[in-house]
Formats: sequence, structure tokens, C-alpha cells
Amino acid sequence: GAVVSQHPSRVICKSGTSVKIECRSLDFQATTMFWYRQFPKQSLMLMATSNEGSKATYEQGVEKDKFLINHASLTLSTLTVTSAHPEDSSFYICSAMVGNTEAFFGQGTRLTVV
Amino acid sequence: GQNIDQPTEMTATEGAIVQINCTYQTSGFNGLFWYQQHAGEAPTFLSYNVLDGLEEKGRFSSFLSRSKGYSYLLLKELQMKDSASYLCAASDSNYQLIWGAGTKLIIKP
Repeated sequence: GAVVSQHPSRVICKSGTSVKIECRSLDFQATTMFWYRQFPKQSLMLMATSNEGSKATYEQGVEKDKFLINHASLTLSTLTVTSAHPEDSSFYICSAMVGNTEAFFGQGTRLTVV
Repeated sequence: GQNIDQPTEMTATEGAIVQINCTYQTSGFNGLFWYQQHAGEAPTFLSYNVLDGLEEKGRFSSFLSRSKGYSYLLLKELQMKDSASYLCAASDSNYQLIWGAGTKLIIKP
């Protein structure tokens, strides 16, 4: 199947700093990627839809100035958590659709803000 | 509104069979996905159904009834490694995935 690579898998940062998470489709072109957040024992929560060459579409309640998404190429989308706070600590996962019938996920990034 | 319902937790015995149910209500429908997620890891794809009926894939099978807004995931010959959360997701008219909260499956020896 298609491979989506997400980096880093774990990151610890100080409160107030910014963290960038990369999501790459390794063997296919992804015009659309999705960014999810998952709190412990909860389901995936869609944060935003990342579209190559255009602005991301954010879900209601997600601050676009805090969670910056850039989809600069057909194989790379990045999520930058700006001015991170402890409440931003979470598991962040990206995914890309192949056609409309299958979604492949990155490995996820566990962010801890101290 | 759009909604996905699945049981929060289920327990089964190693070697047995378990059926995880999922009901959905979406604006339009373009298929039903099942994913497996082990603790601390990203979900992995198990199955996709868009037509009514049963799709079998090894020990795992998935069933869909569009008229009833219902799907189930059937796991046979359960193994300890099948202990995980199983996520049901429906694709709506915009091909956006609507996620259920997941069913935590506990396998006992």
C-alpha cells in the first residue's frame, strides 16, 4: 500500500516555542492531506484539510494562526504548532487519501510541551 | 447531523469470534472504513465497503447494509495481538471521513 511518513515521531518542547511536524507521501502524490489530533482514549479529531498550492481548510474551533499548515508540494505537508502550551500536548496524525477509497496514515507525532 | 455509533469496549477470548457493530448517519455516503489502532500508534487500514454485503479478508470480514446505516467488523480466530481499538469511519458526500469514537477490544487468554 501507499506509504505516508511523518516526522518526528516524538518531540518535547518548551512552552512558548514552535514545533514543526512533517508529513510526506513517499510513493504517491497527495493533493489533499488531513491533520488530526487525538487525546488519550478518544477518537481522531480532524483539525484541518491541507490542499496543495492553496490555503488549508480548518475545522471549527481550530485556531489557524496557532496551527500553521503548509502544503508546498504534492508530497509534503507541514503542521507548525506555534507558541506551544502544555494543553497542546497531544498525538498529531496526518493522513492522505488515495483516490477516495483509502486513507493512509503517518506514524503520528507525540508532542509534549513542558 | 452526522453521527457514528460503536460500542466503547468489548471483551473476547483468544481463539473466539467477535463482531463489532457500527451505525452511521451522514450527509450522503461514499463508503465505510474500518481501522485498527494499537495504543500510541496511528490507525492502520483494515477494510472499505461501499456496496451492501460481506467482504472477507483473511481473519477479518466487514459487512455493510446501506439501507440500515449499519456495518460490522467480524474478527475470527482471535489472537492476543488483536487487542486494540477498532475505528469505524463513514465517508460523506464530500468524501470527508466522519469518525466513530472507537471500540476498545480486550482479548483474554
